[in-house]
Amino acid sequence: DAGVIQSPRHEVTEMGQEVTLRCKPISGHDYLFWYRQTMMRGLELLIYFNNNVPIDDSGMPEDRFSAKMPNASFSTLKIQPSEPRDSAVYFCASSFNSGLNTGELFFGEGSRLTVL
Amino acid sequence: AQKITQTQPGMFVQEKEAVTLDCTYDTSDQSYGLFWYKQPSSGEMIFLIYQGSYDEQNATEGRYSLNFQKARKSANLVISASQLGDSAMYFCAMRGYQGGSEKLVFGKGTKLTVNP
Repeated sequence: DAGVIQSPRHEVTEMGQEVTLRCKPISGHDYLFWYRQTMMRGLELLIYFNNNVPIDDSGMPEDRFSAKMPNASFSTLKIQPSEPRDSAVYFCASSFNSGLNTGELFFGEGSRLTVL
Repeated sequence: AQKITQTQPGMFVQEKEAVTLDCTYDTSDQSYGLFWYKQPSSGEMIFLIYQGSYDEQNATEGRYSLNFQKARKSANLVISASQLGDSAMYFCAMRGYQGGSEKLVFGKGTKLTVNP
């Protein structure tokens, strides 16, 4: 079975440019999470969706960040305009709800973003 | 608010020995789940083991076991018979449900180095 698929794996861009990260969750999973990982802040939850609906976006840093999930098999995280401090590894993860507090997250391989 | 604390930034262990990675958590939830993930240098996040707050027995998965002490709010990971391939970052995480929203928060991680 295919796991969570993220693209691109690596992105280098210049400050001010728009960045779009993509994620395909595991089929049948109804939760999708976007995390950001940096050395300073560790793993931070940015936003999560349940059944394609954004439930909690309190972790989104600012208005420059937006996320969408138009259908059950695709999500995007967009940064516009990008800034050097956005440089990080962005992970997408999905899970199914086998109960309120079970269902481990399955992570994609991450998208490493470098903003110059 | 939920919080995960991993007090060991780095740990060293000799090959074939056992090692315990510490994790304490803070939550007001009655029902929650605890997870451990491994992140090797290649960057992917690998699920290792899960413990539910109502599970009376400690979870085990092969060489991994979770020493769950609910009253002390600790969920330490024990790796038996360490292997060189166990060298990686290890993250403790907790999933709960607060204020109408799911939260899965991660600790800062422990870097484990297995010496030959």
